[in-house]
Amino acid sequence: GQNIDQPTEMTATEGAIVQINCTYQTSGFNGLFWYQQHAGEAPTFLSYNVLDGLEEKGRFSSFLSRSKGYSYLLLKELQMKDSASYLCAVMDSNYQLIWGAGTKLIIKP
Amino acid sequence: DAGITQSPRHKVTETGTPVTLRCHQTENHRYMYWYRQDPGHGLRLIHYSYGVKDTDKGEVSDGYSVSRSKTEDFLLTLESATSSQTSVYFCAISELGSSSGANVLTFGAGSRLTVL
Repeated sequence: GQNIDQPTEMTATEGAIVQINCTYQTSGFNGLFWYQQHAGEAPTFLSYNVLDGLEEKGRFSSFLSRSKGYSYLLLKELQMKDSASYLCAVMDSNYQLIWGAGTKLIIKP
Repeated sequence: DAGITQSPRHKVTETGTPVTLRCHQTENHRYMYWYRQDPGHGLRLIHYSYGVKDTDKGEVSDGYSVSRSKTEDFLLTLESATSSQTSVYFCAISELGSSSGANVLTFGAGSRLTVL
């Protein structure tokens, strides 16, 4: 079966750096997405990776290794507003999105 | 903000009653989706639409039907609601199809449905 694994919850300190990992086992690969979801709100798009390597976008970066079935989202200079759930999703060979259950990130002052 | 609204935002209903959730977009995007989100699960696709009157099933379509009579509206109907359909339902839109690469979804604010 197809599977996306992410840690359920992580805690980090304001101003620090945190890395949220995502491993996947899917039938084929056509890209990996990260979304941010604040409690009670809609998911919003953060990043897209289809080739190996690091994509940087301000304080957020996303890395992909297709051979390892692995991605991470790196958040730098953490702010309280970064407290949210982070959702990893992989597009499989049939162009269907498979979603992880999300990682709840708690930021402490 | 992307023009996508869901209604109602909250609904409590009883087992066996019909329920319709509405998704309305002002972006003129071709693709529309209905997902459900439950604790411990990733978003799960219920149905999607790739044009007016063109719809298809997702991975958890049993007990749900959809209709799209206009580009801007995508309706999700639970013909006879069950307690297992208690969930948060998200509508999403995208300009490109899934096979077009970075198919970024824009989500509505969600509809919280409780079936007693």
